[in-house]
Amino acid sequence: DVKVTQSSRYLVKRTGEKVFLECVQDMDHENMFWYRQDPGLGLRLIYFSYDVKMKEKGDIPEGYSVSREKKERFSLILESASTNQTSMYLCASGDSQNTEAFFGQGTRLTVV
Amino acid sequence: GDSVTQMEGPVTLSEEAFLTINCTYTATGYPSLFWYVQYPGEGLQLLLKATKADDKGSNKGFEATYRKETTSFHLEKGSVQVSDSAVYFCALSRTTDSWGKLQFGAGTQVVVTP
Repeated sequence: DVKVTQSSRYLVKRTGEKVFLECVQDMDHENMFWYRQDPGLGLRLIYFSYDVKMKEKGDIPEGYSVSREKKERFSLILESASTNQTSMYLCASGDSQNTEAFFGQGTRLTVV
Repeated sequence: GDSVTQMEGPVTLSEEAFLTINCTYTATGYPSLFWYVQYPGEGLQLLLKATKADDKGSNKGFEATYRKETTSFHLEKGSVQVSDSAVYFCALSRTTDSWGKLQFGAGTQVVVTP
């Protein structure tokens, strides 16, 4: 069974903390994505990666960075967490043919 | 830029009722169109897709037809069940995009009551 696994389902962090969200896929996919989900806004793309060490900004990259040191792992980093980054974060992966994106179960981050 | 507009929810239905969720899009060229579903407490999963005009995607009793002339991809199901309660997202990706980035609508929550 194909799987995208996010390391945490729920996180609570303090303002100003550095936060790492981890995502691992077992499908050998080239492409990986981080989305943010907010009510009434749907999902918005933060960053994506099409290969190891390669990354591109999405629609809302401000306040975030990413790391992809290995093909199966894609990390989202909040350099200095702020309350407006309280949200649901979804990781996804897809193959180079773009037939389908597979999503993790999401991490609900609360910044207090 | 590209955008997807879908009807606001929540949509509340009785079991065995007919469901329609409207979705329209704005995009240059010929995007691929998708419906994703998110069950409570879970991530998104692909429900169906269509990659060219007049294609019909179908899965689990749901259907949607890619209508280029009306730039629409409405989701329908003839008889819903309580287990269909979820949030449904319409999305597109550009065929010229080699990475499969998705542009999502806001999502429509569907509540089916017994």
